[in-house]
Amino acid sequence: AVRMTQSPSSFSASTGDRVTITCRASQGISNYLAWYQQKPGKAPKLLIFGASTLQSGVPSRFSGSGSGTDFTLTISSLQSEDFATYYCQQYYYYPPFTFGPGTTVDIK
Amino acid sequence: EVQLVESGGGLVKPGGSLRLSCAASGFTFSSYSMNWVRQAPGKGLEWVSSIIVNTGNIYYADSVKGRFTISRDNAKNSLYLQMNSLRAEDTAVYYCARWEGAATGLRFDYWGQGTLVTVSS
Repeated sequence: AVRMTQSPSSFSASTGDRVTITCRASQGISNYLAWYQQKPGKAPKLLIFGASTLQSGVPSRFSGSGSGTDFTLTISSLQSEDFATYYCQQYYYYPPFTFGPGTTVDIK
Repeated sequence: EVQLVESGGGLVKPGGSLRLSCAASGFTFSSYSMNWVRQAPGKGLEWVSSIIVNTGNIYYADSVKGRFTISRDNAKNSLYLQMNSLRAEDTAVYYCARWEGAATGLRFDYWGQGTLVTVSS
């Protein structure tokens, strides 16, 4: 199975900051990657698929890039509602669909 | 509005069984593949199972293969997960999620609110 890693595992940031989260696949997955946001006690919410396509209704401050094994999720200007945990997911080799371990962004 | 509502979770003893349901509304359920994803307390997301609408293919994570069975009833707009031989490590919130698209456009675009399964004696 493709193993997904994310870095950092957690970090603190302030509103207005530009933040970048990295996701790495153990083997090449082209651009078959999605990003999800999850807030405590809530279901995951799809942000990006195809590594860089913004899901309908998701603010444009979110962007994704990458291909092959290395991917990034960028929030251009962090808002209060963006403090959450972010997961990447590969869907090139399935089953299984594999998720990264998550990156938690909290308030500095 | 797309809605997915899970039910059926609860406390069950090790070795016991439970059947989860996911009621879908706001879209043509019979046209979509569906998934179950779980999240153990304080942990990350783990894909559990998928049922593919076009081919009828069914996939399971190795951790549940032979113990869990995914099924659907298109007439009732419902997805199910029959869980047998439950173990403590199956304790998690179970989400159903809709599978949209294909190839690079594939994604789990709508998720239910989840139902908690606790396996404990």
